Amino acid sequence: GQNIDQPTEMTATEGAIVQINCTYQTSGFNGLFWYQQHAGEAPTFLSYNVLDGLEEKGRFSSFLSRSKGYSYLLLKELQMKDSASYLCAVRDKPGYALNFGKGTSLLVTP
Amino acid sequence: DSGVTQTPKHLITATGQRVTLRCSPRSGDLSVYWYQQSLDQGLQFLIQYYNGEERAKGNILERFSAQQFPDLHSELNLSSLELGDSALYFCASSASGVSGNTIYFGEGSWLTVV
Repeated sequence: GQNIDQPTEMTATEGAIVQINCTYQTSGFNGLFWYQQHAGEAPTFLSYNVLDGLEEKGRFSSFLSRSKGYSYLLLKELQMKDSASYLCAVRDKPGYALNFGKGTSLLVTP
Repeated sequence: DSGVTQTPKHLITATGQRVTLRCSPRSGDLSVYWYQQSLDQGLQFLIQYYNGEERAKGNILERFSAQQFPDLHSELNLSSLELGDSALYFCASSASGVSGNTIYFGEGSWLTVV
């Protein structure tokens, strides 16, 4: 089975740094994905990790520890437009669907 | 724009009715996925097709069915609709089934059952 957990809500201040954690227990592992979703819109791809370590892409970074079943998404220099839901997803077999956590709703305040 | 096209964008229908949602994947993508997202749930995987064949099933109800056509577009059929089926239905696509391919989502079809 699949179990993907992330906090329901987080609040952070414009210009700050926020870390969104994700833990997972899955029957297999073929990659961990982070998506951003604004209310009522399509999820958009942010990052992908399949090996342990940190992947950096501009203001966003994602970390993976396969042995701990743990990932985090780090958002730096927060902007108001970063207020959105952040979805952690795991693919357990190559070429198959992603299984999503319920998402973390991030509110960025002035 | 992800390149995945879904129609209709909005749909209102009555309980007991049947609707069909349509999806055109990104050019060249062989895999199509259907997801359901309701207010109190995350993205729930329904079903996946790969090059015309069903590859995987998730939490799809027996009242729901899908297919992928030779031109790779897909349709999700929802029948005997209930109030609880009101949700945002996403189609997504990815390239050939190799490891690491990102899934790209369409804008979704909002279904309201009244």
